[in-house]
Amino acid sequence: GAVVSQHPSWVICKSGTSVKIECRSLDFQATTMFWYRQFPKQSLMLMATSNEGSKATYEQGVEKDKFLINHASLTLSTLTVTSAHPEDSSFYICSARDRGLGSTGELFFGEGSRLTVL
Amino acid sequence: SQQGEEDPQALSIQEGENATMNCSYKTSINNLQWYRQNSGRGLVHLILIRSNEREKHSGRLRVTLDTSKKSSSLLITASRAADTASYFCATDGTSYGKLTFGQGTILTVHP
Repeated sequence: GAVVSQHPSWVICKSGTSVKIECRSLDFQATTMFWYRQFPKQSLMLMATSNEGSKATYEQGVEKDKFLINHASLTLSTLTVTSAHPEDSSFYICSARDRGLGSTGELFFGEGSRLTVL
Repeated sequence: SQQGEEDPQALSIQEGENATMNCSYKTSINNLQWYRQNSGRGLVHLILIRSNEREKHSGRLRVTLDTSKKSSSLLITASRAADTASYFCATDGTSYGKLTFGQGTILTVHP
């Protein structure tokens, strides 16, 4: 089945630095990808919808200048946490839908990226 | 805002017993999906039920959907210790995969 890969799976950084997380669809093209954030023992909160070739659509309350999203190709979306602070520490998960001909349209999730900001 | 509300928040059972988790939502949907998440891992899609369906089976899983009550249930029969995980319902109100997740149920199955 289709696979979505996230990298890195975990990252530790110092406060004030920026961190980039990649989300790749490995065997299908994804015109739309979604970025979620999950705090420990909580649910997933949608942060933004990443659209290939256009600007991302952010959910209410999510700072677009803080969480930069780039969807430069049909198989890659990146989330950059700029000037990270300890409160940005979280589990970030992406998802992508295979909308190609013959696909079921199922949504596939990456394995997540755990960010710890010291 | 979180649309799905799940209960119970935590469920602890013995191997072999059945586990039932419930999910309620507030707005109209195209479909409702259930996912499983092992601690610190990504989500695994379990089953999708469309708004015009009332019940669906997949192996030991049975999902029901009552659109009049805006609720769904996930039943895992003959549970196993390996079923221990968090289970989330997610509603899809559009055709673009923008899901709204419930708060989740933490299931612990004791061997």
